Amino acid sequence: QKEVEQDPGPLSVPEGAIVSLNCTYSNSAFQYFMWYRQYSRKGPELLMYTYSSGNKEDGRFTAQVDKSSKYISLFIRDSQPSDSATYLCAMSQIKGGGNKLTFGTGTQLKVEL
Amino acid sequence: DTEVTQTPKHLVMGMTNKKSLKCEQHMGHRAMYWYKQKAKKPPELMFVYSYEKLSINESVPSRFSPECPNSSLLNLHLHALQPEDSALYLCASSQVRGAPSYEQYFGPGTRLTVT
Repeated sequence: QKEVEQDPGPLSVPEGAIVSLNCTYSNSAFQYFMWYRQYSRKGPELLMYTYSSGNKEDGRFTAQVDKSSKYISLFIRDSQPSDSATYLCAMSQIKGGGNKLTFGTGTQLKVEL
Repeated sequence: DTEVTQTPKHLVMGMTNKKSLKCEQHMGHRAMYWYKQKAKKPPELMFVYSYEKLSINESVPSRFSPECPNSSLLNLHLHALQPEDSALYLCASSQVRGAPSYEQYFGPGTRLTVT
């Protein structure tokens, strides 16, 4: 069983739709939960992070964590064509002298006009 | 400045070549990372440097040799690679301790092709 599971998509939605992206995890040692956005042929860009169960909102993005169910979500409101990218969930644990990120497989999102 | 730069952007090398990838950051971060990303796959951690010392090696083959000459620079030396090593190599940096340490800033990557 993978430590982090994420539906790879692809997911295609019309402009203005609400998008829901989800990940599940099995490792209770994960402390921080993040969402990265990666455009084609670019490095991942941190979108949002949280470390506790509950919701965190930033503009059109809402990150949700349920530690009891080991489930995290990212909601995108009023989706735009510029949101078309691969969205990676990532989970962090302290290992050695650094922070080890374990990524989900990524969900490819296309927002169509 | 929240930028991590990587050079070269693209690299084609033969299996007998020796080459190096370079990464630089000026954010004062003391943790730096190398990741490998194959097409349509997530990044996979290779190495972590903390205060210029290697702290994590994720059982990476010895044909990959990391080096951290100072707090701003990270190199990855490549030797006798295989075609299956072709991938996007990403560098990242972060704080070492405290709440922001999970916040890793990624460079654009070096796209490596081994022929």
